[in-house]
Amino acid sequence: DAGITQSPRHKVTETGTPVTLRCHQTENHRYMYWYRQDPGHGLRLIHYSYGVKDTDKGEVSDGYSVSRSKTEDFLLTLESATSSQTSVYFCAISEGRGRPETQYFGPGTRLLVL
Amino acid sequence: QKEVEQDPGPLSVPEGAIVSLNCTYSNSAFQYFMWYRQYSRKGPELLMYTYSSGNKEDGRFTAQVDKSSKYISLFIRDSQPSDSATYLCAMMGPYGGATNKLIFGTGTLLAVQP
Repeated sequence: DAGITQSPRHKVTETGTPVTLRCHQTENHRYMYWYRQDPGHGLRLIHYSYGVKDTDKGEVSDGYSVSRSKTEDFLLTLESATSSQTSVYFCAISEGRGRPETQYFGPGTRLLVL
Repeated sequence: QKEVEQDPGPLSVPEGAIVSLNCTYSNSAFQYFMWYRQYSRKGPELLMYTYSSGNKEDGRFTAQVDKSSKYISLFIRDSQPSDSATYLCAMMGPYGGATNKLIFGTGTLLAVQP
């Protein structure tokens, strides 16, 4: 998985609770991404980062926030989890500008919101 | 209408068959085309990427892009049971442009029967 780890790998939580997912990379890549994967929708971009403290919204950012204080770590926070946020969450990294945007994915986090 | 359409399958073939997987798209600005393979409960892994139109071959895999028809294909020769996975197409516009994020298809589930 290209030097990418995600934690936790599985989580069950209750509606209304905050949840933070962590992505850690050892490749020193500039770009990091958070996706969610749901049946019938494929992979959809939530937020991405193009450097430390530089982030931007993706296609489905409502209800999510992110932070990147170090190159290697990208955190995704669900401020108040809802059942519609039950999904598999993938982190991805890429080298970014200067070559085609090929992204390498982590192993995923399965989140169940009851 | 989704920007990228992909038949979800499932597609079941006997071992040794030639497999054809396809995606269509609507955004003529897409210039980079990728194929990812995703095993069950794993993160997607990059198989191949191509820039603009044409063919690219890597072992048993051939990626083909027809920009005039907005149609891309992945061919797998001499398919093996280990090829059983979900195959995701992904696309991106010109570097630095408004569409410099990957847009994914929903994936096609392939089963190669021994």
